[in-house]
Amino acid sequence: TQLLEQSPQFLSIQEGENLTVYCNSSSVFSSLQWYRQEPGEGPVLLVTVVTGGEVKKLKRLTFQFGDARKDSSLHITAAQPGDTGLYLCAGANFGNEKLTFGTGTRLTIIP
Amino acid sequence: GAVVSQHPSWVICKSGTSVKIECRSLDFQATTMFWYRQFPKQSLMLMATSNEGSKATYEQGVEKDKFLINHASLTLSTLTVTSAHPEDSSFYICSAPRPLEQFFGPGTRLTVL
Repeated sequence: TQLLEQSPQFLSIQEGENLTVYCNSSSVFSSLQWYRQEPGEGPVLLVTVVTGGEVKKLKRLTFQFGDARKDSSLHITAAQPGDTGLYLCAGANFGNEKLTFGTGTRLTIIP
Repeated sequence: GAVVSQHPSWVICKSGTSVKIECRSLDFQATTMFWYRQFPKQSLMLMATSNEGSKATYEQGVEKDKFLINHASLTLSTLTVTSAHPEDSSFYICSAPRPLEQFFGPGTRLTVL
């Protein structure tokens, strides 16, 4: 069974601070996706990383896929209240559309 | 982007009744859809893979007779929670895959009294 552990599980910081969320596994994934979910809604895709060592930027969000494709990180610069939500990483394997979801990180940005 | 809808968005039912939840891909066809369950403040747990024209594939520990899945067309999958009990209360979410991403429905909150 493939598992994805996210850390921290909960994070509450002041507006303007920086933060990093980690997503770790002992298994290799062909791609890794990051989603954000707001209460009462379905998750929304933020980014997909495919290549080991890949770095993708989405405005203030920076995503990195580990060289061995076993882990990933999400760094947010100058966090804003609108960044509040549940962040989920999810791994996929070639030829299989099924996703393995991480344990989740609940982020709260305090104005 | 692609859109997936769910109906109803919330439902309250009495213990022992059955509840059907619909998942539709609105602007693309999906031969596969996924059903997830999410408890408060937790991540998504995959329940089953819905396959158009064939039987669903259930994850370990999920009762197939309890959670009936039908994928009768390329745009519709249904999940029926049979003889619902309070412990079945949860947030149920479906998704439909496209290359390198999945599109999620808005979820259905089920409360069983």
